[in-house]
Amino acid sequence: ETGVTQSPTHLIKTRGQQVTLRCSSQSGHNTVSWYQQALGQGPQFIFQYYREEENGRGNFPPRFSGLQFPNYSSELNVNALELDDSALYLCASSLGTPEYEQYFGPGTRLTVT
Amino acid sequence: KNQVEQSPQSLIILEGKNCTLQCNYTVSPFSNLRWYKQDTGRGPVSLTIMTFSENTKSNGRYTATLDADTKQSSLHITASQLSDSASYICVVRGGMDSSYKLIFGSGTRLLVRP
Repeated sequence: ETGVTQSPTHLIKTRGQQVTLRCSSQSGHNTVSWYQQALGQGPQFIFQYYREEENGRGNFPPRFSGLQFPNYSSELNVNALELDDSALYLCASSLGTPEYEQYFGPGTRLTVT
Repeated sequence: KNQVEQSPQSLIILEGKNCTLQCNYTVSPFSNLRWYKQDTGRGPVSLTIMTFSENTKSNGRYTATLDADTKQSSLHITASQLSDSASYICVVRGGMDSSYKLIFGSGTRLLVRP
C-alpha cells in the first residue's frame, strides 16, 4: 500500500454530466498529480498541484479542473463529460516536484455512457 | 517530440523463466527513468529509478539497465512468478518543462503461465 487513497473506486456517469474525484495524499506529501489512463495505454498527465496551486498542466481542455486543499488532499473535476472521458483516473503524491518518488493511488474507474 | 516507446507490447512466458522488456526514449533533456509495475485496475508501483549516471539498478528479481547514450533501458525479470503478471511501464522525467513532466510509455503486458 502506498498510503494514497482515492474515492470513489468506480463511477458511472452519463454524457454531459459533471463528476468530482477525490484523492488523499500520503502523509507529508505536498504535491499531487492527476493522470488519465485509457484502457491499454500508459497514463497521461492532466495537471499537478503544489501547495494548493496548479503547478503544471498537460494537454487537457479547461473542463478538467482541480483543487488542492490545505491538508494537501485534492479533487479532480470534469464538466460536460464525453464518452472518451471513460478511463482510470490516477492520482500520485510526492514531496516536492516529481524529482522525488511519486506514489500512486489505486485509481477511480470512470465510465461515461 | 518527447516519446517513450516500449517493446514488446505483450509477452507470455512460463513460470520460472527469465524475460527482458525494452524501453526506448527520445526525451531531452533527460532527468531520470523509472520502471513501474501495474496490476490490472490498480495504480502503478515503482520498481526502480535511475538517473543519468546510473546504468544498472536492482530490486529483488527485477534488474533495470540504462544506456543514456543510446537512450535505451531494459527491465530484466529473473525466475518469473505468477504474481509478476502485470503491465510494466517505463517512465522518463524530462522535457522542456522538466519541472513536472513525466512521460509514460504504453507499457508491456506480461503474462506468466504455470
